[in-house]
Amino acid sequence: EAGVAQSPRYKIIEKRQSVAFWCNPISGHATLYWYQQILGQGPKLLIQFQNNGVVDDSQLPKDRFSAERLKGVDSTLKIQPAKLEDSAVYLCASSLVAANTGELFFGEGSRLTVL
Amino acid sequence: GNSVTQMEGPVTLSEEAFLTINCTYTATGYPSLFWYVQYPGEGLQLLLKATKADDKGSNKGFEATYRKETTSFHLEKGSVQVSDSAVYFCALSDRQGAQKLVFGQGTRLTINP
Repeated sequence: EAGVAQSPRYKIIEKRQSVAFWCNPISGHATLYWYQQILGQGPKLLIQFQNNGVVDDSQLPKDRFSAERLKGVDSTLKIQPAKLEDSAVYLCASSLVAANTGELFFGEGSRLTVL
Repeated sequence: GNSVTQMEGPVTLSEEAFLTINCTYTATGYPSLFWYVQYPGEGLQLLLKATKADDKGSNKGFEATYRKETTSFHLEKGSVQVSDSAVYFCALSDRQGAQKLVFGQGTRLTINP
């Protein structure tokens, strides 16, 4: 079974530029998550989708971050304009059922460096 | 709000030593508790879980018991191996609303032969 795919694996940009990350979840997983992991910290949820609807985006900085999940499968996370503090690994995860009972499957992440 | 606190790392042990990584949580209600592991160059993966008080999760020789009275979920292993070297994350998920995972800051474990 194919795992969660993410791209690009690494991205270096200058502040005020824009960047987009792509995620393809495990086939059949209705729930998709984007997490931000800053160095030395645990992952923090940015946004959670159930199919193509948003369940929770309370910690997404909406002035600069946006995410979409068209057709309930692939998802894109965009940052525009980027700030230095956005340097982090962006993790995509998917699951069959709700997080409190089920297992989340994570991709390897996309590492962003903002200079 | 919900939060998870893990013991400070990094932790360095010799092979076959006993391992404990402490985890305590703050949550309303009765959350589910998890340990995730991140091996070098890989994504996070679920190690074990417990969904109610006094449950014991176990996998690959690791164990953790859901202690409601002490709000803890400490990870233990009786005899560690070099292959256990990784970053370990404690996490919780509430049973209301979006049921999202909240992670601790992670503990880096290095096992020397």
